[in-house]
Amino acid sequence: GAVVSQHPSWVICKSGTSVKIECRSLDFQATTMFWYRQFPKQSLMLMATSNEGSKATYEQGVEKDKFLINHASLTLSTLTVTSAHPEDSSFYICSARGTSVAYEQYFGPGTRLTVT
Amino acid sequence: EDKVVQSPLSLVVHEGDTVTLNCSYEVTNFRSLLWYKQEKKAPTFLFMLTSSGIEKKSGRLSSILDKKELFSILNITATQTGDSAIYLCAVDDNQGGKLIFGQGTELSVKP
Repeated sequence: GAVVSQHPSWVICKSGTSVKIECRSLDFQATTMFWYRQFPKQSLMLMATSNEGSKATYEQGVEKDKFLINHASLTLSTLTVTSAHPEDSSFYICSARGTSVAYEQYFGPGTRLTVT
Repeated sequence: EDKVVQSPLSLVVHEGDTVTLNCSYEVTNFRSLLWYKQEKKAPTFLFMLTSSGIEKKSGRLSSILDKKELFSILNITATQTGDSAIYLCAVDDNQGGKLIFGQGTELSVKP
C-alpha cells in the first residue's frame, strides 16, 4: 500500500518559536495533501487542503498566517507553525491522496507537538 | 452543515464478544464513507463504502452502507484485545477529497 511519512514524529519547542513539519508520499505522487489536527480524546479536524503548485485552502477558523503550508512538489508538503503557543500543542496528521480511482487517502504517522 | 455522528462514543467488551459500531451522516454531496482504526498514531484504513447494501469484509471485520437511511455499521466478531482502538468514520463529501470525521468510538476489549 501507499506510504506517507512525517517528520519529525514528535517535537518540543519554546513558546514564540516556529516549527516545521514535513509530510512525504514515499511511493506515489500526491496531487493533494491534507493537514489535520487532533486534540486528546477528540476526532481529526481538517485544517487545510494543500494542492501541489498552488496556495493552500484553509478551513474556517484556521489562521493561514500562523499555519503556513507549502506543497512544493508532488511528494512533499510542509506545515510551519509560526510563533507557537502552548495552545498549539496537539497531534498534527497529514494525509495524501494520489490519482487512483479509489480516491483513498493515506495518513502519515502524525507529529506530536508540545509547546512549552 | 455537513456532519458525521458516531455511536456509541465508547464501548467496553470482553474478548470473544461481537460489537457493532454506528455511523450516521448528513452531507450535501456524498461520494464515499470510510472507516479507520486509530491506535497510538495516525488512522489506518479499514474500508471504503460507496454503494448501498454491499458488505465489505476483512477477516473478523465487516461493514455495510445504507445510503437511503444515511448510515453505516462496522461489525467486529470474536473481538480480541488487539481490537482495542478508536474507530473513526469519515465521509468524503466530494469537495476535492476533504473528509468529514465523526467523533470516533473508543473500543476497549478486556481479556
